[in-house]
Amino acid sequence: AQSVTQLDSQVPVFEEAPVELRCNYSSSVSVYLFWYVQYPNQGLQLLLKYLSGSTLVKGINGFEAEFNKSQTSFHLRKPSVHISDTAEYFCAVSNDYKLSFGAGTTVTVRA
Amino acid sequence: NAGVTQTPKFRILKIGQSMTLQCAQDMNHNYMYWYRQDPGMGLKLIYYSVGAGITDKGEVPNGYNVSRSTTEDFPLRLELAAPSQTSVYFCASSWGPDGNSPLHFGNGTRLTVT
Repeated sequence: AQSVTQLDSQVPVFEEAPVELRCNYSSSVSVYLFWYVQYPNQGLQLLLKYLSGSTLVKGINGFEAEFNKSQTSFHLRKPSVHISDTAEYFCAVSNDYKLSFGAGTTVTVRA
Repeated sequence: NAGVTQTPKFRILKIGQSMTLQCAQDMNHNYMYWYRQDPGMGLKLIYYSVGAGITDKGEVPNGYNVSRSTTEDFPLRLELAAPSQTSVYFCASSWGPDGNSPLHFGNGTRLTVT
């Protein structure tokens, strides 16, 4: 079985500042890793995914994440955030039919 | 292309009432899922289906039932609503196992049981 820990529940950040959202996972086998974003009153959308290959994954809206197998981490970053990045972000891991989601990180971008 | 459509958007139930949350997708996806989202808990899988006529339990199936008579529809049934079922429910679909195919989510149904 796998589990996902998102280390920050709330991340306030100023507009145009960088942001990093931390995600650690535990699994005894190889996994697929995902970041999803949920804008207010909407369902989740895929931001990016890591299946194999390059450990640096680029996603939509300028986000990227780095897979670190030795540290079992998959941290999400954006060098300069916008007000429109205010949302909840979920890290997820899968090695079978079913995804396991983290508890989520709420990012609030202030002007 | 509507994607995944959930109805209703909001619902208030009294304890012991029953209801069906509807979910339909028009992407011809074989895989469909029901999740519930509670504050600070992320999403928990209730039931999933890998094709018409095939369903299976997820992490938190108690108090719920599903059916999958067509590829398009995957309704979730609550038979005897309890306050613990107050949550936001999301339906999702994917073309393949969610290990390597992204989930497409509906906009959710917010359910309150009082």
